[in-house]
Amino acid sequence: KQEVTQIPAALSVPEGENLVLNCSFTDSAIYNLQWFRQDPGKGLTSLLLIQSSQREQTSGRLNASLDKSSGRSTLYIAASQPGDSATYLCALPEGSSNTGKLIFGQGTTLQVKP
Amino acid sequence: EAGVAQSPRYKIIEKRQSVAFWCNPISGHATLYWYQQILGQGPKLLIQFQNNGVVDDSQLPKDRFSAERLKGVDSTLKIQPAKLEDSAVYLCASSLGQPYNSPLHFGNGTRLTVT
Repeated sequence: KQEVTQIPAALSVPEGENLVLNCSFTDSAIYNLQWFRQDPGKGLTSLLLIQSSQREQTSGRLNASLDKSSGRSTLYIAASQPGDSATYLCALPEGSSNTGKLIFGQGTTLQVKP
Repeated sequence: EAGVAQSPRYKIIEKRQSVAFWCNPISGHATLYWYQQILGQGPKLLIQFQNNGVVDDSQLPKDRFSAERLKGVDSTLKIQPAKLEDSAVYLCASSLGQPYNSPLHFGNGTRLTVT
Protein backbone atom coordinates (compact mmCIF):
# COMPACT_ATOMS: atom_id res chain seq x y z
CA LYS A 1 0.00 0.00 0.00
CA GLN A 2 1.41 3.36 -1.07
CA GLU A 3 2.24 5.80 1.71
CA VAL A 4 3.28 9.39 1.09
CA THR A 5 5.09 11.49 3.65
CA GLN A 6 5.97 15.16 3.60
CA ILE A 7 8.47 16.67 5.99
CA PRO A 8 8.48 19.21 7.49
CA ALA A 9 4.83 19.87 8.23
CA ALA A 10 5.50 23.60 8.37
CA LEU A 11 8.27 25.88 7.20
CA SER A 12 8.88 29.60 7.68
CA VAL A 13 11.52 31.45 5.67
CA PRO A 14 12.43 35.07 4.93
CA GLU A 15 11.61 36.45 1.53
CA GLY A 16 14.21 35.78 -1.14
CA GLU A 17 15.42 32.44 0.17
CA ASN A 18 15.64 29.38 -2.02
CA LEU A 19 13.93 26.42 -0.41
CA VAL A 20 13.24 22.72 -0.88
CA LEU A 21 10.13 20.80 0.07
CA ASN A 22 10.38 17.04 0.42
CA CYS A 23 8.05 14.21 -0.48
CA SER A 24 8.79 10.53 0.06
CA PHE A 25 6.80 7.48 -1.03
CA THR A 26 7.06 3.79 -0.24
CA ASP A 27 6.14 2.12 -3.56
CA SER A 28 8.43 3.07 -6.44
CA ALA A 29 6.13 1.55 -9.09
CA ILE A 30 4.46 4.82 -9.95
CA TYR A 31 2.98 6.39 -13.07
CA ASN A 32 3.67 9.97 -12.09
CA LEU A 33 3.92 12.38 -9.21
CA GLN A 34 2.06 15.65 -8.96
CA TRP A 35 2.69 18.72 -6.82
CA PHE A 36 -0.22 20.89 -5.75
CA ARG A 37 -0.60 24.21 -4.02
CA GLN A 38 -3.50 24.92 -1.66
CA ASP A 39 -4.34 28.39 -0.41
CA PRO A 40 -6.47 28.73 2.75
CA GLY A 41 -10.12 28.04 2.01
CA LYS A 42 -9.37 27.10 -1.58
CA GLY A 43 -9.07 24.00 -3.66
CA LEU A 44 -5.84 22.56 -4.97
CA THR A 45 -3.95 24.03 -7.90
CA SER A 46 -1.77 21.71 -9.93
CA LEU A 47 1.77 23.04 -10.12
CA LEU A 48 3.80 20.33 -11.79
CA LEU A 49 3.28 16.75 -12.95
CA ILE A 50 6.32 14.53 -13.44
CA GLN A 51 5.89 11.34 -15.40
CA SER A 52 7.73 8.28 -14.09
CA SER A 53 10.13 8.42 -17.05
CA GLN A 54 11.14 12.00 -16.24
CA ARG A 55 13.68 13.26 -13.76
CA GLU A 56 12.39 16.80 -13.36
CA GLN A 57 9.92 19.43 -14.45
CA THR A 58 10.24 23.19 -14.32
CA SER A 59 7.71 25.99 -14.27
CA GLY A 60 8.97 29.50 -13.61
CA ARG A 61 10.62 29.57 -10.19
CA LEU A 62 9.51 26.03 -9.43
CA ASN A 63 11.48 22.90 -10.14
CA ALA A 64 10.33 19.43 -9.17
CA SER A 65 12.58 16.41 -9.27
CA LEU A 66 11.77 12.72 -9.06
CA ASP A 67 14.01 9.87 -7.93
CA LYS A 68 11.97 6.67 -8.10
CA SER A 69 14.76 4.44 -6.85
CA SER A 70 14.97 6.29 -3.56
CA GLY A 71 11.25 7.02 -3.37
CA ARG A 72 11.69 10.76 -3.22
CA SER A 73 10.59 13.94 -4.89
CA THR A 74 11.59 17.50 -4.11
CA LEU A 75 9.98 20.80 -4.98
CA TYR A 76 12.51 23.60 -5.27
CA ILE A 77 11.26 27.17 -5.01
CA ALA A 78 13.75 29.83 -6.07
CA ALA A 79 13.77 33.36 -4.67
CA SER A 80 10.71 32.83 -2.49
CA GLN A 81 8.07 35.56 -2.24
CA PRO A 82 5.30 36.23 0.31
CA GLY A 83 2.82 35.19 -2.37
CA ASP A 84 4.30 31.69 -2.25
CA SER A 85 2.83 31.23 1.22
CA ALA A 86 0.48 28.26 1.01
CA THR A 87 0.30 24.54 1.70
CA TYR A 88 2.12 22.35 -0.80
CA LEU A 89 1.01 18.77 -1.31
CA CYS A 90 2.47 15.96 -3.35
CA ALA A 91 0.35 13.10 -4.65
CA LEU A 92 0.66 10.02 -6.81
CA PRO A 93 -1.67 7.33 -8.12
CA GLU A 94 -1.88 4.31 -5.85
CA GLY A 95 0.27 1.48 -7.18
CA SER A 96 -0.32 0.72 -10.83
CA SER A 97 -3.93 1.71 -10.66
CA ASN A 98 -5.34 3.76 -13.48
CA THR A 99 -8.03 5.14 -11.24
CA GLY A 100 -8.02 8.58 -9.68
CA LYS A 101 -7.04 7.26 -6.29
CA LEU A 102 -4.30 9.76 -5.75
CA ILE A 103 -2.53 9.25 -2.45
CA PHE A 104 -1.69 12.60 -0.91
CA GLY A 105 0.89 13.57 1.61
CA GLN A 106 -0.25 15.68 4.51
CA GLY A 107 1.36 18.75 3.02
CA THR A 108 3.97 21.31 4.02
CA THR A 109 2.61 24.70 5.06
CA LEU A 110 5.00 27.37 3.88
CA GLN A 111 5.15 30.90 5.23
CA VAL A 112 7.38 33.41 3.46
CA LYS A 113 7.94 36.49 5.59
CA PRO A 114 8.48 39.88 3.94
CA GLU B 1 -10.95 28.06 -19.65
CA ALA B 2 -13.46 28.05 -16.82
CA GLY B 3 -12.44 26.00 -13.80
CA VAL B 4 -14.28 23.39 -11.79
CA ALA B 5 -17.35 24.95 -10.18
CA GLN B 6 -18.72 23.80 -6.84
CA SER B 7 -21.62 24.91 -4.68
CA PRO B 8 -22.37 25.75 -2.00
CA ARG B 9 -19.10 27.11 -0.61
CA TYR B 10 -20.12 26.53 3.00
CA LYS B 11 -22.77 24.43 4.71
CA ILE B 12 -23.59 23.99 8.38
CA ILE B 13 -26.02 21.25 9.38
CA GLU B 14 -26.92 19.27 12.46
CA LYS B 15 -26.05 15.60 12.75
CA ARG B 16 -28.58 13.24 11.21
CA GLN B 17 -29.61 15.87 8.66
CA SER B 18 -28.98 15.42 4.96
CA VAL B 19 -26.91 17.59 2.62
CA ALA B 20 -26.05 17.70 -1.08
CA PHE B 21 -23.13 19.20 -2.96
CA TRP B 22 -22.96 20.05 -6.63
CA CYS B 23 -20.05 20.04 -9.06
CA ASN B 24 -19.64 21.17 -12.65
CA PRO B 25 -16.32 19.99 -14.15
CA ILE B 26 -14.21 21.65 -16.82
CA SER B 27 -15.86 21.29 -20.19
CA GLY B 28 -14.71 18.20 -22.03
CA HIS B 29 -13.24 16.49 -18.97
CA ALA B 30 -14.48 12.92 -18.92
CA THR B 31 -13.19 12.01 -15.49
CA LEU B 32 -14.69 13.48 -12.32
CA TYR B 33 -13.63 12.87 -8.73
CA TRP B 34 -14.98 13.64 -5.28
CA TYR B 35 -12.40 13.97 -2.53
CA GLN B 36 -12.86 14.48 1.20
CA GLN B 37 -10.28 16.60 3.02
CA ILE B 38 -10.35 16.58 6.79
CA LEU B 39 -8.57 19.48 8.46
CA GLY B 40 -4.82 18.98 8.55
CA GLN B 41 -4.84 16.01 6.18
CA GLY B 42 -4.41 15.44 2.48
CA PRO B 43 -7.52 14.76 0.38
CA LYS B 44 -8.93 11.24 0.23
CA LEU B 45 -10.74 9.91 -2.83
CA LEU B 46 -14.40 9.09 -2.26
CA ILE B 47 -15.54 8.29 -5.79
CA GLN B 48 -14.33 8.54 -9.38
CA PHE B 49 -16.53 8.73 -12.46
CA GLN B 50 -15.50 8.09 -16.04
CA ASN B 51 -18.22 9.83 -18.05
CA ASN B 52 -21.33 8.68 -16.14
CA GLY B 53 -19.95 5.37 -14.93
CA VAL B 54 -18.35 4.71 -11.55
CA VAL B 55 -14.70 3.63 -11.76
CA ASP B 56 -13.83 3.54 -8.06
CA ASP B 57 -16.03 4.02 -5.01
CA SER B 58 -14.14 1.72 -2.66
CA GLN B 59 -13.69 4.44 -0.02
CA LEU B 60 -17.22 5.83 -0.20
CA PRO B 61 -19.25 5.10 2.97
CA LYS B 62 -22.16 3.73 1.01
CA ASP B 63 -24.48 3.46 3.99
CA ARG B 64 -24.69 7.25 4.11
CA PHE B 65 -22.96 8.71 1.05
CA SER B 66 -24.23 8.59 -2.52
CA ALA B 67 -23.11 10.26 -5.72
CA GLU B 68 -24.33 10.46 -9.26
CA ARG B 69 -23.20 11.97 -12.52
CA LEU B 70 -26.13 12.20 -14.84
CA LYS B 71 -25.37 12.68 -18.54
CA GLY B 72 -21.68 12.48 -17.80
CA VAL B 73 -21.29 16.16 -16.90
CA ASP B 74 -22.49 17.61 -13.56
CA SER B 75 -22.32 15.57 -10.41
CA THR B 76 -23.94 15.64 -6.99
CA LEU B 77 -22.68 14.12 -3.75
CA LYS B 78 -25.19 13.48 -0.97
CA ILE B 79 -24.79 12.60 2.68
CA GLN B 80 -27.77 11.18 4.55
CA PRO B 81 -27.71 11.13 7.54
CA ALA B 82 -24.66 13.23 8.38
CA LYS B 83 -22.36 12.43 11.29
CA LEU B 84 -20.01 14.69 13.20
CA GLU B 85 -16.99 13.04 11.56
CA ASP B 86 -18.25 14.09 8.14
CA SER B 87 -17.11 17.65 8.88
CA ALA B 88 -14.57 18.31 6.15
CA VAL B 89 -14.01 20.07 2.86
CA TYR B 90 -15.48 18.20 -0.08
CA LEU B 91 -13.45 18.78 -3.21
CA CYS B 92 -14.52 18.03 -6.72
CA ALA B 93 -11.88 17.56 -9.41
CA SER B 94 -11.83 16.71 -13.07
CA SER B 95 -9.27 15.57 -15.60
CA LEU B 96 -9.13 15.19 -19.34
CA GLY B 97 -7.82 11.64 -19.20
CA GLN B 98 -6.57 9.16 -16.68
CA PRO B 99 -4.52 10.29 -13.66
CA TYR B 100 -1.43 8.55 -14.95
CA ASN B 101 -1.17 10.95 -17.85
CA SER B 102 -3.19 14.07 -17.10
CA PRO B 103 -3.28 16.45 -14.14
CA LEU B 104 -6.29 16.92 -11.90
CA HIS B 105 -8.02 20.29 -11.68
CA PHE B 106 -9.78 21.02 -8.40
CA GLY B 107 -12.68 23.24 -7.49
CA ASN B 108 -12.62 25.46 -4.39
CA GLY B 109 -14.55 22.90 -2.38
CA THR B 110 -17.53 22.90 -0.06
CA ARG B 111 -16.74 23.26 3.62
CA LEU B 112 -19.19 21.16 5.63
CA THR B 113 -19.62 21.59 9.37
CA VAL B 114 -21.78 19.06 11.18
CA THR B 115 -22.84 20.12 14.69
